[in-house]
Amino acid sequence: EAGVVQSPRYKIIEKKQPVAFWCNPISGHNTLYWYLQNLGQGPELLIRYENEEAVDDSQLPKDRFSAERLKGVDSTLKIQPAELGDSAVYLCASSSIAGAGEQYFGPGTRLTVT
Amino acid sequence: SQQGEEDPQALSIQEGENATMNCSYKTSINNLQWYRQNSGRGLVHLILIRSNEREKHSGRLRVTLDTSKKSSSLLITASRAADTASYFCARGTSGGYNKLIFGAGTRLAVHP
Repeated sequence: EAGVVQSPRYKIIEKKQPVAFWCNPISGHNTLYWYLQNLGQGPELLIRYENEEAVDDSQLPKDRFSAERLKGVDSTLKIQPAELGDSAVYLCASSSIAGAGEQYFGPGTRLTVT
Repeated sequence: SQQGEEDPQALSIQEGENATMNCSYKTSINNLQWYRQNSGRGLVHLILIRSNEREKHSGRLRVTLDTSKKSSSLLITASRAADTASYFCARGTSGGYNKLIFGAGTRLAVHP
């Protein structure tokens, strides 16, 4: 079974530029999560999808961050414009059970904003 | 923001020794999970213990949960160099909406 796929693995951009991350969850997993992980910290939830519906985006900075999950499969997380403080690892995860069950994580995208 | 504390923040041991990591939390839980993250890799789920369970085993891993003290521990027995990683506890919240809240992690180094 293929795991959660994310791309790109690394991204370096200048501040004020836009950036997008892509995630393909495990086949059949209806729940998809985007997390932010700062250096030396654990992941923090940005947004959670149940199929194509965002059911929790309370931690998503909506002035610059946006996400979509068309057709309830792949998802894209966008930042526009990026700020220096956005430098972090962006993790995507999926699960077959909604809520606080076991989650399967992708390798993440390491973003560096210069 | 992170909720819950992991202790110690870093742990350095020799191969063959046991490693114990602790996790405390403040509010009620549905379950508590432990994840491992190797350098440059994503998180891997290790074990889930439900709020009505007290102990769970998986290979060389043993997890305990004490809901009265709001704490959990992860024991890795007979550690190997390949166990070198960061270990995170994540509490599954109870109530109407279940989500995982991760701690800051314990960085374990196992020396050959």
